[in-house]
Amino acid sequence: GAVVSQHPSWVICKSGTSVKIECRSLDFQATTMFWYRQFPKQSLMLMATSNEGSKATYEQGVEKDKFLINHASLTLSTLTVTSAHPEDSSFYICSARDPATTYNEQFFGPGTRLTVL
Amino acid sequence: QKEVEQNSGPLSVPEGAIASLNCTYSDRGSQSFFWYRQYSGKSPELIMSIYSNGDKEDGRFTAQLNKASQYVSLLIRDSQPSDSATYLCAPTGGGNKLTFGTGTQLKVEL
Repeated sequence: GAVVSQHPSWVICKSGTSVKIECRSLDFQATTMFWYRQFPKQSLMLMATSNEGSKATYEQGVEKDKFLINHASLTLSTLTVTSAHPEDSSFYICSARDPATTYNEQFFGPGTRLTVL
Repeated sequence: QKEVEQNSGPLSVPEGAIASLNCTYSDRGSQSFFWYRQYSGKSPELIMSIYSNGDKEDGRFTAQLNKASQYVSLLIRDSQPSDSATYLCAPTGGGNKLTFGTGTQLKVEL
């Protein structure tokens, strides 16, 4: 199956700092990647859709100036959490859509656990 | 009405039994349907995809889809303790975005 990596797998930072998370499709080209956030005991919440070479599309209620997304190549999308605060602490997961699959399946990265002190 | 509804469980089944997980969705335009398995503290893992009405089998897993009833299910045969996880139902909406249910927690007991 398609492989998606994320880096870092976990990060602890001080309040007010910025954190960058990378999402890579390792064995396929992903024109579309998605960023999710998951709080404990809750389901995944889609934050934004990232398209290669264009601006990301954010879901309602997600601050685009706080969560900066860049999809610079067909295998890399980055999410930068700017001026992070404790309420941003969460499990951030990316997925990549493999256009070569029958159903345009999405494959998830292993996730990044962010803790803001 | 929630877009995707699943019984949160926990659903407890004995080892070797069949586990039946159900999901209803509201968007009649959904064309593709996915089941993901998520272990505690981990990210979701794709286990089944289904597009057409009827059944689709893959090993111990069978997905069933009924678009008229807006219903999709997942059967797990010969359940194993390693199947204990949360199972997420996800229809595809506009822009190939997935809409996740809250998931059903499955516990397979020895």
